[in-house]
Amino acid sequence: GQSLEQPSEVTAVEGAIVQINCTYQTSGFYGLSWYQQHDGGAPTFLSSNALDGLEETGRFSSFLSRSDSYGYLLLQELQMKDSASYFCAVNAGNTGKLIFGQGTTLQVKP
Amino acid sequence: DAGVTQSPTHLIKTRGQQVTLRCSPISGHKSVSWYQQVLGQGPQFIFQYYEKEERGRGNFPDRFSARQFPNYSSELNVNALLLGDSALYLCASRYGQGALDEQFFGPGTRLTVL
Repeated sequence: GQSLEQPSEVTAVEGAIVQINCTYQTSGFYGLSWYQQHDGGAPTFLSSNALDGLEETGRFSSFLSRSDSYGYLLLQELQMKDSASYFCAVNAGNTGKLIFGQGTTLQVKP
Repeated sequence: DAGVTQSPTHLIKTRGQQVTLRCSPISGHKSVSWYQQVLGQGPQFIFQYYEKEERGRGNFPDRFSARQFPNYSSELNVNALLLGDSALYLCASRYGQGALDEQFFGPGTRLTVL
């Protein structure tokens, strides 16, 4: 089967750093992507990794270890507006098919 | 530039009815994908179209069908609606067929089946 595991909820305070982990098991793998979604709105792309290592995009960084089928999203200098759901998604084929995890709800407190 | 647009925003149907959802991709994007997102879960892949041809299909029954038009807009049709079809239906567009090409999602159509 195909599955992605990520924590259901994470809570952190403003200004802190938070890491959201994702492990995956899929039959096809072209890369791991991360999406943010506010209150059932449109998911927006944050970062992706095709190769092992760390990708940094402003306050967000994403890491991938293909040998461990593991990745994480790192959010730094948390702001209240970062309160949202975060999804890891495997790019599962050259059709662009994304297999999403169940999502992690991040609550940022003052 | 306009992003991905979807219509209608909300829709209420009863069991057994049929529904058509519409999506207009970002100008210049040739690939459209459809996802179903049930409340509290991640989006699930339904279809992907590129240059008017189906290029991928998820694990959904034949009640679900889609097509892409020459202007790259797309429609998703669902027949014989079931209560379990209640969800947010998301459309995503991207320029090409690269596996890691960024996908841009629309705001979705929230379908409620009574």
